[in-house]
Amino acid sequence: DQQVKQNSPSLSVQEGRISILNCDYTNSMFDYFLWYKKYPAEGPTFLISISSIKDKNEDGRFTVFLNKSAKHLSLHIVPSQPGDSAVYFCAASDQAGTALIFGKGTTLSVSS
Amino acid sequence: GAGVSQSPRYKVAKRGQDVALRCDPISGHVSLFWYQQALGQGPEFLTYFQNEAQLDKSGLPSDRFFAERPEGSVSTLKIQRTQQEDSAVYLCASSLVPGGYYEQYFGPGTRLTVT
Repeated sequence: DQQVKQNSPSLSVQEGRISILNCDYTNSMFDYFLWYKKYPAEGPTFLISISSIKDKNEDGRFTVFLNKSAKHLSLHIVPSQPGDSAVYFCAASDQAGTALIFGKGTTLSVSS
Repeated sequence: GAGVSQSPRYKVAKRGQDVALRCDPISGHVSLFWYQQALGQGPEFLTYFQNEAQLDKSGLPSDRFFAERPEGSVSTLKIQRTQQEDSAVYLCASSLVPGGYYEQYFGPGTRLTVT
């Protein structure tokens, strides 16, 4: 049973618009969440994280929102750029854990 | 500032052969992780080292998989008697602090194809 779910395999957005990538989790022990971006033939690159004591974290064009009661988080990219086209993975961890638990990823395509 | 490096980048093995995959983590990083990524999936945890100690190997799929980090830096993942289901990208990640509760920095991966 998947503990971290990214239900949209793909998303297409026009350059300059907002991209919203969603992630749901089932394990209530998770309290630290991360987003990674992956280009073909490269490893995942860390983008942004959020701990459960916060409901929002911003870094430039990237903002992550956390809704603990709904066990849902989302990544907003504003404005989207063609270079943002990649696979985005949501990952989660808990304080006792030794691994990140990843979703299956969402492929974002930003067209110019 | 070198990142995590892995070698080889690509490996083709005949079924039944043994393979060894190498990971050079970021210098000074205490934690080292191995993940397996099948096509269309997210990375899945295999094993975790804190310095030279292998503290969690719960994700290793069978006793054909073995990992070591003898001096607390470079790590090797060995797969004995490879099977077709072992075909995947093997990712290594390192982290500055102990445990999985922090950002992990990934290498480019080794793509293993078993024929």
